[in-house]
Amino acid sequence: DARVTQTPRHKVTEMGQEVTMRCQPILGHNTVFWYRQTMMQGLELLAYFRNRAPLDDSGMPKDRFSAEMPDATLATLKIQPSEPRDSAVYFCASGLVRGTGANVLTFGAGSRLTVL
Amino acid sequence: KDQVFQPSTVASSEGAVVEIFCNHSVSNAYNFFWYLHFPGCAPRLLVKGSKPSQQGRYNMTYERFSSSLLILQVREADAAVYYCACSSGTYKYIFGTGTRLKVLA
Repeated sequence: DARVTQTPRHKVTEMGQEVTMRCQPILGHNTVFWYRQTMMQGLELLAYFRNRAPLDDSGMPKDRFSAEMPDATLATLKIQPSEPRDSAVYFCASGLVRGTGANVLTFGAGSRLTVL
Repeated sequence: KDQVFQPSTVASSEGAVVEIFCNHSVSNAYNFFWYLHFPGCAPRLLVKGSKPSQQGRYNMTYERFSSSLLILQVREADAAVYYCACSSGTYKYIFGTGTRLKVLA
């Protein structure tokens, strides 16, 4: 089965450090999403891309978070500087989305970030 | 604001039918998706659609702004977090806060 691959699976870092999370979407998928999972917000949409172009990153704190897709096989989410409140599990998902709203997203296993 | 609402916790006895309710305020959303999530794993799709649907033990009801996931013959192994999501015509997929299912022996 095709999978969405996320690295690292676990990251522990100190406050103020830069953190980069990577995602390899499923080959052929045109849309990539970044979600943050917290107890209070559930799966919170941070940003998403279609055909590598950012469509909406309004869910991200702009001062410290950035998301990019340097090529079709790689999406990155960077936090600089990291803070303890950024501790969460970050999920990447991809899909072949055609705008009908009926297409399925496939998730990666997540990157668990702990900021001390 | 585009939001999806679902209860934080639902409890059920083994062998029973459990219902998890979801409603939304997402603009131009016509499809619901129900995902299952075990900690440490990727959330995976159970059932989806813009009409009532069934996949094995999972039934999905459908109204324009609400849906319920019904799990038949609940088992201890079904204890997990269930996410409801809606998609809008702008390629945006909005998820709820997740419902933790507790299974009582």
